[in-house]
Amino acid sequence: QVQLVESGGGLVKPGGSLRLSCAASGFTFSDYYMSWIRQAPGKGLEWVSYISSSGSTIYYADSVKGRFTISRDNAKNSLYLQMNSLRAEDTAVYYCARGGGSGYWGQGTLVTVSS
Amino acid sequence: DIQMTQSPSTLSASVGDRVTITCRASQSISSWLAWYQQKPGKAPKLLIYKASSLESGVPSRFSGSGSGTEFTLTISSLQPDDFATYYCQQYNSYHLTFGPGTKVDIK
Repeated sequence: QVQLVESGGGLVKPGGSLRLSCAASGFTFSDYYMSWIRQAPGKGLEWVSYISSSGSTIYYADSVKGRFTISRDNAKNSLYLQMNSLRAEDTAVYYCARGGGSGYWGQGTLVTVSS
Repeated sequence: DIQMTQSPSTLSASVGDRVTITCRASQSISSWLAWYQQKPGKAPKLLIYKASSLESGVPSRFSGSGSGTEFTLTISSLQPDDFATYYCQQYNSYHLTFGPGTKVDIK
């Protein structure tokens, strides 16, 4: 069955960096585009970034452009999100999701940016 | 980016009520719209994709309709398990925008 498992969240100081990973299994990872989506505490869902199946096309939300980098390793069935220059407003649960309009999301990993 | 709005933001209803939530897109998204249900501490659960297609395993009391810029999610007879927050999401564009959510609570 399809599984997406995020890891790498934690507590980081403002200005710090963190790298999130999403391990995929149960499907042909290289056939699907992937996204990162986040949810701040008590808030709604916010799309963060998209990467095409090959990794050649990438988009970011304006709120993270220039600070976050999405990547994937199709050989390792893994998706990544490198987060630099973190701000308090980046505090959220980060989900990886397969495609769009998809029922396949991970369980989420919490990122807390605080001094 | 395509902007998504939802109404109402909060809805108080009773078990057995028929409930309708509206989602509007700032430009046409054809039928590339999904509806999700989310409960506290959980990942969103897909209910409807392509505006009106029921995800496998989702009860038939959930239905979706619409195309272009206006969409609705209907729960034909609200059940206790349905008290949750509902989000629409457009995937016409790879900037996968979400609506702000509609919280359905107990009247």
